[in-house]
Amino acid sequence: GAVVSQHPSWVICKSGTSVKIECRSLDFQATTMFWYRQFPKQSLMLMATSNEGSKATYEQGVEKDKFLINHASLTLSTLTVTSAHPEDSSFYICSARDSGRPNTGELFFGEGSRLTVL
Amino acid sequence: DQQVKQNSPSLSVQEGRISILNCDYTNSMFDYFLWYKKYPAEGPTFLISISSIKDKNEDGRFTVFLNKSAKHLSLHIVPSQPGDSAVYFCAPPGEYGNKLVFGAGTILRVKS
Repeated sequence: GAVVSQHPSWVICKSGTSVKIECRSLDFQATTMFWYRQFPKQSLMLMATSNEGSKATYEQGVEKDKFLINHASLTLSTLTVTSAHPEDSSFYICSARDSGRPNTGELFFGEGSRLTVL
Repeated sequence: DQQVKQNSPSLSVQEGRISILNCDYTNSMFDYFLWYKKYPAEGPTFLISISSIKDKNEDGRFTVFLNKSAKHLSLHIVPSQPGDSAVYFCAPPGEYGNKLVFGAGTILRVKS
């Protein structure tokens, strides 16, 4: 089946530093990837839609300059949390749709990345 | 504006019995619905889907029912197993047919 891999799965950083999270589709191409954030005991909140070769589309309330998204290839999207603060600590999950199967509606999710900002 | 609602935050079921998870939606334009299952500290995995042209879709122990007039979905798991204990998300497609709009999720606990 289609596999989406996230790296790192777990990261601790100091307040004020930047952290990059990678999302890769391993066996399919994805022109569109999505980044979600999950707070404890809450649902997945869509942060942005990452489009290959163009700018990401951010959801309302998500700071573009805070959460930088780059989708440089058909298999890789990155999320950079800039100048991280403790309130950015969360579980970040990416997902991707198989460009070769656009009508299924199914998304393939990465394993998630746990960010802890000290 | 919450377009998807899962009003039961949690459900506890005895092993072997039926688990019924519910989901309500507001947008009648949704034409495809998906259920995802999520374990702690992992990404969601796709479970089962249903197109709006159907009112039922079955896959092994999992059956999803769609009532379009009531804008209501339900996921039935029978018989329930301890390994089914997870968070279940109802996710109709989003406004542009691309992004998923998740409900709050229902925590299912299957007791052995």
